[in-house]
Amino acid sequence: DAGVTQSPTHLIKTRGQHVTLRCSPISGHKSVSWYQQVLGQGPQFIFQYYEKEERGRGNFPDRFSARQFPNYSSELNVNALLLGDSALYLCASSWGARGGETQYFGPGTRLLVL
Amino acid sequence: GQSLEQPSEVTAVEGAIVQINCTYQTSGFYGLSWYQQHDGGAPTFLSYNALDGLEETGRFSSFLSRSDSYGYLLLQELQMKDSASYFCAGAFSGSARQLTFGSGTQLTVLP
Repeated sequence: DAGVTQSPTHLIKTRGQHVTLRCSPISGHKSVSWYQQVLGQGPQFIFQYYEKEERGRGNFPDRFSARQFPNYSSELNVNALLLGDSALYLCASSWGARGGETQYFGPGTRLLVL
Repeated sequence: GQSLEQPSEVTAVEGAIVQINCTYQTSGFYGLSWYQQHDGGAPTFLSYNALDGLEETGRFSSFLSRSDSYGYLLLQELQMKDSASYFCAGAFSGSARQLTFGSGTQLTVLP
């Protein structure tokens, strides 16, 4: 079975632009979570979606938004990009919505904001 | 808030045993996970402790003590391929169902 897939793998944007990152979970998984990982730090939670509903939101500004589609894939949108948004954006899927469940991470999208 | 503390770096030699500790804040805590991440790669799940005690999975074991707000990951028979970053991640109750990650421990295995 395919693992979690993310696209694109790399992205370069300029300040003020917006970006859309995409994630396809493992088949059968209904929960998708998004994390931001800055170099040298642990992943930081942005959103969790389960059955197309937002189940959790981390401490990120309203410039960050996400949604989940009927096929459980997900998009993360970031508006008005700042230099500090440069990071690895990770998507993780799990079968259910419990926080302690094993999460399976995708390879990430590396975003560079210039 | 929810935070986890772990050492930033650990170095050991091939074949040795290494323990990576993690302490956490207790408010709403209900479980501790460990993830491994190689440079440029995705975090991969290693273990999860919801109850006190030791969980063993091959060369890796994880321990949790709720009374001490403390857990550790034990890696035995170290191999060069174990060089990576290791993250403890806490699951906390509340409206946000999420994992809160520590800042990671960079393990270097020397020949």
